Amino acid sequence: NAGVMQNPRHLVRRRGQEARLRCSPMKGHSHVYWYRQLPEEGLKFMVYLQKENIIDESGMPKERFSAEFPKEGPSILRIQQVVRGDSAAYFCASSRSDGSNEQYFGPGTRLTVT
Amino acid sequence: DAKTTQPPSMDCAEGRAANLPCNHSTISGNEYVYWYRQIHSQGPQYIIHGLKNNETNEMASLIITEDRKSSTLILPHATLRDTAVYYCIVRVGSGGYNKLIFGAGTRLAVHP
Repeated sequence: NAGVMQNPRHLVRRRGQEARLRCSPMKGHSHVYWYRQLPEEGLKFMVYLQKENIIDESGMPKERFSAEFPKEGPSILRIQQVVRGDSAAYFCASSRSDGSNEQYFGPGTRLTVT
Repeated sequence: DAKTTQPPSMDCAEGRAANLPCNHSTISGNEYVYWYRQIHSQGPQYIIHGLKNNETNEMASLIITEDRKSSTLILPHATLRDTAVYYCIVRVGSGGYNKLIFGAGTRLAVHP
């Protein structure tokens, strides 16, 4: 059973460009979570999605950031007009919907904004 | 979710047991104790969780005090590969909403 997959693993963008981060949950998982880890800091929750629904986006910056988890395909975290402060590791996690609560994390995408 | 308190760092000799404490004095009756670890900027790894009974799996043991105000994660025979930041997280665990709130964790260094 493949784990949570994220791509790309490393992404370099210039200021003002768009960044798209993809996350494929584990097989059988329908809940996806995105977390951000700034350099030398802890992980911070960003958004929680189920298929086609955003359940909680309380950790998402108000502007430039959006997330989706379509019926088919991976979850996408989209950052428009990136700035240097967006440079961080972005981790995706997934969990089952049967009441068990372990979240399994992907390897992360390291975004560098130049 | 309840706040947890962990020591910022600990050392352990390879082959010895590593005992990582966590205080969660404001835990509620329906909140579980979860442990995750992050090895050198990899994705966090789930270790174990429990409600009030002690738990053991292939990775570790979790000892929760009777009043549930504190717990200890035990790595019975620490190896160099167990060097990581360990996070103790307390949250409602009976399905549904599932956000994890990470604190600063304990940085465990296992040395030869």
